[in-house]
Amino acid sequence: DIQLTQSPSFLSASVGDRVTITCRASQGISSYLAWYQQKPGKAPKLLIYAASTLQSGVPSRFSGSGSGTEFTLTISSLQPEDFATYYCQQLNSYPRTFGQGTRLEIK
Amino acid sequence: EVQLVESGGGVVRPGGSLRLSCAASGFTFDDYGMSWVRQAPGKGLEWVSGINWNGGSTGYADSVKGRFTISRDNAKNSLYLQMNSLRAEDTALYHCARDNGQQLAYYYYYYMDVWGKGTTVTVSS
Repeated sequence: DIQLTQSPSFLSASVGDRVTITCRASQGISSYLAWYQQKPGKAPKLLIYAASTLQSGVPSRFSGSGSGTEFTLTISSLQPEDFATYYCQQLNSYPRTFGQGTRLEIK
Repeated sequence: EVQLVESGGGVVRPGGSLRLSCAASGFTFDDYGMSWVRQAPGKGLEWVSGINWNGGSTGYADSVKGRFTISRDNAKNSLYLQMNSLRAEDTALYHCARDNGQQLAYYYYYYMDVWGKGTTVTVSS
């Protein structure tokens, strides 16, 4: 099975900051990677798929990059509504594993 | 409105069984694969199982393989998860999600773009 490791697991930042979250796959997955945002008590929300394609309706301050085994999610200028937990997921093969999550909190 | 609504959760003893359902509306159900994803209290997301549009292809997490069975009834716009031999570690909020995809260049990329709010399963004696 493909393992995904996110770093950091916890991130403290301020409104307006630029933040980057990394997701590393245990083997190559081409660009079969998606990113989700989850707020407490809510279902996950799709942000990015195919490693870098922004889902319709998602603000352009979110961007994704990478291929193979290393991927990043960048938020260019944090807004108050961005404080949440972020997950990567590989969709290269079954089982479609998630990373352990990165919790982004207000400094 | 595109919507997924889960049901069937509850409290069950270890070793027991439960069947979850997911009712889909607002889209052509048999155009899409579907998945189950769970989240234990205070923990991260765990993909549990997936099924293609006609039920001909399924996949499972190692943690549930041999105990859980995913199925669908396209005539009823419904997805199911039969859970047997339940364990305490199966306690979680179970979401169903729609598997969507897009052709980009030469490749078809999948993603989960619609999620239900979930149904809670508690395994306890």
